Parts: sequence; C-alpha cells; structure tokens
Amino acid sequence: AQSVTQLDSQVPVFEEAPVELRCNYSSSVSVYLFWYVQYPNQGLQLLLKYLSGSTLVKGINGFEAEFNKSQTSFHLRKPSVHISDTAEYFCAVLVWGSNYKLTFGKGTLLTVNP
Amino acid sequence: NAGVTQTPKFQVLKTGQSMTLQCAQDMNHEYMSWYRQDPGMGLRLIHYSVGAGITDQGEVPNGYNVSRSTTEDFPLRLLSAAPSQTSVYFCASSYSTGGAEKLFFGSGTQLSVL
Repeated sequence: AQSVTQLDSQVPVFEEAPVELRCNYSSSVSVYLFWYVQYPNQGLQLLLKYLSGSTLVKGINGFEAEFNKSQTSFHLRKPSVHISDTAEYFCAVLVWGSNYKLTFGKGTLLTVNP
Repeated sequence: NAGVTQTPKFQVLKTGQSMTLQCAQDMNHEYMSWYRQDPGMGLRLIHYSVGAGITDQGEVPNGYNVSRSTTEDFPLRLLSAAPSQTSVYFCASSYSTGGAEKLFFGSGTQLSVL
C-alpha cells in the first residue's frame, strides 16, 4: 500500500523568505502526486499536480514542486512567501489504477510572519 | 456556480444518535467521496462513489453508510454516532477520468459527538 510522509508538521517563516515543504511517498508502482492547500475554515484547493512528463511542476500562487523518482520525493517550493500563504498544505498520492483512492499526508502548517 | 455544497456546517450529536451529512454537486461529476479530517492525521477516505448506484469503501468506513441514487447527491449516514466520530467531514468530487483530475472540495461539516 502507498503512504505519504510530510516531514515537517509546522514551518514558520518570515515574509519574503523562500520556503520548502517536504513530502516523501512510498509505492511499489507508478503514482500521480498532488499538493493541496487549505486556508482556515475552508476546504482544500489544488495547488499543483504531477502526472507525467517534466519533473518540475508549476502551480498556482507562485508555487512549484519537483518530482524526484529516485528519492521518492515531491517537495513544494516558493521563492518568496507572503502573509496570505499562511495555510495548511497537504501532499497526496494516487496509485495508477487504484480507482481514485487518494492518500493524503498529515499536513504541514505554514505560518508566514511579518 | 455552487460547486460542492455540504450541509450542515456544524452539528452536535449525543452518543447513539443518527444523522445524515448532505453533499451535493452541480458540476455533473461522476466521482464523489467523503473524507474525515482529524488533527495530525490529515484527510482519510471514508467512502467513495464512481457513479450513480456505485459505492465503495475507503480507508476508514466503519460506522458510516453511503448511497448514490443520483449523480448530484452523495449523503453520508451515521447510524449510531460515537465520540470517535467527532471530526471535520469533507465531501469532494471530480470528473471521471481515472482519478488524476483535481478534487473539488466542499467547505466541510464540523461534527461533535458528546
């Protein structure tokens, strides 16, 4: 069975600093990878996804992620964060042919301080 | 454009009571699902449906029932609520193209079981 590990439960950063949120997965077969964001008291929104092709994926709000198959990682990055990026971020994996069973990590709370 | 609508937003139950969490989408999505979100646990899949009349279990199905009589609606039933079911519940839907399309989430139902 697949699993997702988000290595940091909380990441505090200052405004305009770069940030990396780490995600590792385990699966014996090919996967699709996703990052979702949850703002306070809201549902989740898709930031970006990796299905195939280029390993560098660009998403909304200036975020990007790089798929590294050898390290089974899909880290999320942003070169300069804003106060409005404060939210919880979830990495998720879907195994090919798993009939929609998306597995989420436990989340990373990004807090951007002025 | 309503998207995914969940009702109620908040609910308090006593142990042993039953209730139904409602979920409706107006995007003609084939796939619908229910997740529960608990602190430090991320989102866990309860049940999902790939079309009207078709449902299947996710990671944590015990204590919950679902049915899918129409494309639009996917209610989640708690037959005898337990304190362990205190959680935030999210309904999500997507197009039926193999699971790689993004999920559209509702705004959640916060349930407390006393």
